[in-house]
Amino acid sequence: EAQVTQNPRYLITVTGKKLTVTCSQNMNHEYMSWYRQDPGLGLRQIYYSMNVEVTDKGDVPEGYKVSRKEKRNFPLILESPSPNQTSLYFCASSSWGGITDTQYFGPGTRLTVL
Amino acid sequence: GNSVTQMEGPVTLSEEAFLTINCTYTATGYPSLFWYVQYPGEGLQLLLKATKADDKGSNKGFEATYRKETTSFHLEKGSVQVSDSAVYFCALQGAQKLVFGQGTRLTINP
Repeated sequence: EAQVTQNPRYLITVTGKKLTVTCSQNMNHEYMSWYRQDPGLGLRQIYYSMNVEVTDKGDVPEGYKVSRKEKRNFPLILESPSPNQTSLYFCASSSWGGITDTQYFGPGTRLTVL
Repeated sequence: GNSVTQMEGPVTLSEEAFLTINCTYTATGYPSLFWYVQYPGEGLQLLLKATKADDKGSNKGFEATYRKETTSFHLEKGSVQVSDSAVYFCALQGAQKLVFGQGTRLTINP
């Protein structure tokens, strides 16, 4: 089954403790992206990747890092999480990221930073 | 820059009522337009899309028409069901990203 998977689905952590949220897709997609969802703001892009070893900032990249060493994986790294990063995070992928492309979303990771 | 504005929620309707959720956009060029749906506790699923002016996207009884002259992409359904209760997001595909509206929570009462 074609899908985007994320782990963990739920995470509660404390300020400053480094964490990684994994994302994997099995559709051989070139393009992958991370979004965060906050009430009243919709979803906002954090980082995206057009291909292996090619990443770029989205609208809200501060406090986050990403890497794309393999085509299927695109982990999101919070080196020193803070409470304002408490949010619902979604990974997405699409064939090539073009304007007619459809993005497929993972199930989401709900992060709470205390 | 690109932006999407959706009607404020929450929206509450009775089963079999007619649904409209308004969506307008501001964009450079000619982006593709999407409606995504998020059921409780789940991720986003693509509901429908339109890639050029006057295209109509449709799925599961929902429809939306890409109106370039009014920069709109309103979502409609003729007869809603309890199972349609969810959060609906309008979005446009710009350069390397989707730009989302703030979402509209829809609740359908039996």
